[in-house]
Amino acid sequence: NAGVMQNPRHLVRRRGQEARLRCSPMKGHSHVYWYRQLPEEGLKFMVYLQKENIIDESGMPKERFSAEFPKEGPSILRIQQVVRGDSAAYFCASSPLAGGREDTQYFGPGTRLTVL
Amino acid sequence: AQSVTQLDSHVSVSEGTPVLLRCNYSSSYSPSLFWYVQHPNKGLQLLLKYTSAATLVKGINGFEAEFKKSETSFHLTKPSAHMSDAAEYFCVVSEGSSNTGKLIFGQGTTLQVKP
Repeated sequence: NAGVMQNPRHLVRRRGQEARLRCSPMKGHSHVYWYRQLPEEGLKFMVYLQKENIIDESGMPKERFSAEFPKEGPSILRIQQVVRGDSAAYFCASSPLAGGREDTQYFGPGTRLTVL
Repeated sequence: AQSVTQLDSHVSVSEGTPVLLRCNYSSSYSPSLFWYVQHPNKGLQLLLKYTSAATLVKGINGFEAEFKKSETSFHLTKPSAHMSDAAEYFCVVSEGSSNTGKLIFGQGTTLQVKP
């Protein structure tokens, strides 16, 4: 059973461009979480999705950021008109059960976004 | 609201000596607590988790942690450090006021292991 897959692993964008980050959860997992890790900091929750539904986006900036988890295919975190402050590592995690607090989240290797 | 405080940003030990990484939590609910490890430029790996069963939790690679409700602590220990243990360690609490399961991370502790 392959782990959580994220691509690309490294992404470089110029200010004003769009960044699209992809996450394929572990097989059988239908719950996906996105976290952001700024330099020298811990991870911060951004958004929680189930298939075709955004359940909790309380940690996601209101502008320029969006996330989706379609019925088919990977979850996508999209950042429009990137700015230097968006430079960070973005981690995706998946879990098998209904988002309960005792469910283990399995993390992908992350996408490191650099905005020039 | 839940929160996690890792009391040391950096810990340095010699190979073969014990490891202690300290974590205190704040929670209005019976918490679920985790320790994750992150090696440089890698993803996060779950070391162990506490979910209201046994208060002494054993994890992978010889690590264990003890949940102490009276002290609101969940410190991570290992009897004998190995060079491969050098990494960033995160104490994590699962948000309990809803059923979303989102995780709240501490700031992290960098473990250095000297030969």
